[in-house]
Amino acid sequence: QVQLVQSGAEVKKPGASVRVSCKASGYTFTNYAIHWVRQAPGQGLEWMGWINAGNGNTKYSQKFQGRVAITRDTPASTVYMDLSSLRSEDTALYYCARDQFIAGTRWFDPWGQGTLVTVSS
Amino acid sequence: EIVMTQSPATLSVSPGERASLSCRASQSIGSNLVWYQHKPGQAPRLLIYGASTRATGIPARFSGSGSGTEFTLAISSLQSEDFAVYYCQQYNNWPRTFGPGTKVDIK
Repeated sequence: QVQLVQSGAEVKKPGASVRVSCKASGYTFTNYAIHWVRQAPGQGLEWMGWINAGNGNTKYSQKFQGRVAITRDTPASTVYMDLSSLRSEDTALYYCARDQFIAGTRWFDPWGQGTLVTVSS
Repeated sequence: EIVMTQSPATLSVSPGERASLSCRASQSIGSNLVWYQHKPGQAPRLLIYGASTRATGIPARFSGSGSGTEFTLAISSLQSEDFAVYYCQQYNNWPRTFGPGTKVDIK
């Protein structure tokens, strides 16, 4: 079945960087884009960016521009999200999700299980 | 950026009752709207796409309606498993944006 499996929890100090991975299986990796969405404690869902896994094109939320980079390793069917200059406000659960596109409609499905990133001194 | 708002923030409902959740977009998004259900410790679950089409496996008690800037998610008879947070999300423009969510809890 279609599945996205994310890397494990991370604890980082302020100013550091973190890499979260998202390994896809059950479908042709290069046919779909992958989004990254995060949820800070007690907050809602926030879209961070996406990557077209076929051609590697990316798009980022202005909020994270300059701090986030989304890349992919096609042979490994894996997408990476790098976030730099971490601050306490980046403490959140980070999700990857596949972009599904059919007949003019789009949605995120499936989602990864989430990766908790904690930023603390 | 399109700003999505949802109301109410919290909706207290008794099992078996109907719930109606509202989502508004700051500008017209046509029918380019999705609804997700989110429970603690789980990934969000797709409910509705294209504003009104139920996703595969979603019970008929969930229905979506609206277009332009005003949208509604209705749950006709709440079951215990429906108590969760519900988010709307637009895909008409970049960046993709979510509403702040409506928490449906037990009255």
